[in-house]
Amino acid sequence: GAGVSQTPSNKVTEKGKYVELRCDPISGHTALYWYRQSLGQGPEFLIYFQGTGAADDSGLPNDRFFAVRPEGSVSTLKIQRTERGDSAVYLCASSFEGTSRTGELFFGEGSRLTVL
Amino acid sequence: GQQVMQIPQYQHVQEGEDFTTYCNSSTTLSNIQWYKQRPGGHPVFLIQLVKSGEVKKQKRLTFQFGEAKKNSSLHITATQTTDVGTYFCAGRANYGQNFVFGPGTRLSVLP
Repeated sequence: GAGVSQTPSNKVTEKGKYVELRCDPISGHTALYWYRQSLGQGPEFLIYFQGTGAADDSGLPNDRFFAVRPEGSVSTLKIQRTERGDSAVYLCASSFEGTSRTGELFFGEGSRLTVL
Repeated sequence: GQQVMQIPQYQHVQEGEDFTTYCNSSTTLSNIQWYKQRPGGHPVFLIQLVKSGEVKKQKRLTFQFGEAKKNSSLHITATQTTDVGTYFCAGRANYGQNFVFGPGTRLSVLP
């Protein structure tokens, strides 16, 4: 596709359930970021991949959150035992980053997660 | 950890007035980016600043990066209703690290 694709666009789940959110980045983009955004707030960093490896996962709030990018393209954010406080829009962004070169972040439309 | 602050949190202006938002980082940045998010939308890239003291212009928008590479500003001349949205700065301390976003400045433009 032409842009970053995120699925599902909306997810409603019950407290305690497991959730997977998928991100399909722009083809050829080496870097992939996950952020989450609550209403009226700025994007909060979760995890950043460079290729297949997590270059920085310092933003994951606890061990219920996990993300993978096994082939250096599509990424999945996994949330176990969801809590009401996990409700937010989960944004994925990708960029091309060469040696010492940083590109702009292209964001997807986001996955809105509601935990009842 | 690295923190990025923005002021003001909200700004209401009359169409045609100027607008400025300020961004401050707790650490020196290697580069800073600015994004605009319309209501209900996702952040869209506006500009990237890399050099100390750098100034870039895009039509009515002027972006500055401070000499110490810890602060930045976005100035909009003669605002229009199409400028409505939230403006975020995002700073990166070093190459290979994540971008930390500020809380944003929400701009309302009254016609």
